[in-house]
Amino acid sequence: QSVLTQPPSASGTPGQRVTISCSGSNDNIGSSYVYWFQLVPGTAPKLLIYKNNQRPSGVPDRFSGSKSGTSGSLAISGLRSEDEADYYCASWNDKLSSWVFGGGTKVTVL
Amino acid sequence: EVQLVESGGGLIQPGGSLRLSCAASGFTLSNYWVHWVRQAPGKGLVWVSRINTDGSNIIYADSVRGRFTISRDNAKNTVFLQMSSLRADDTAVYYCARSTLLISMDVWGQGTTVTVSS
Repeated sequence: QSVLTQPPSASGTPGQRVTISCSGSNDNIGSSYVYWFQLVPGTAPKLLIYKNNQRPSGVPDRFSGSKSGTSGSLAISGLRSEDEADYYCASWNDKLSSWVFGGGTKVTVL
Repeated sequence: EVQLVESGGGLIQPGGSLRLSCAASGFTLSNYWVHWVRQAPGKGLVWVSRINTDGSNIIYADSVRGRFTISRDNAKNTVFLQMSSLRADDTAVYYCARSTLLISMDVWGQGTTVTVSS
């Protein structure tokens, strides 16, 4: 059971917009930042969003993040076949003194 | 090219020990904090441990505290994860990732696989 809650799956057709939610608590997202990572099997995990809504250089602006209260979200606009991957949110948890991750969301491009 | 490369994984019997390494290239690892994160087969990412730049500030997940030890050799641009009293539920791909105060876990390695089985 992950501390952060994500939907197990999401899907869309090429060009569509897909949004993934990440629900936490005041111990984590409510008092810290949200991070988003992309995992493609056989490759190194990739940071997509840091500090709620910041994109590292090289990440397309099709990826955007936001935070409201104890929840965060990742939006992928203009969905492309190469976006098919697993997506994880993460945040620092003050009470546990540890980083916590969501259970992951598998995005399928139909 | 900036990259992290993990090594040291393998098949180990329950109760055994293993040491993982995380080597950096293309940048100076001593300027970064380093995390270990693992992913069990068919499961999600789980944070394991983090070490600061000089090794003076270390934290662990409850599930590994007392069994795993993170350390670093800045002269060798490498961070280690010494794992002991290994259990079947430690079976996972282990990733290392770097951090600064500005941005956490911005570069990851491709992982090394640890299988604990008799």
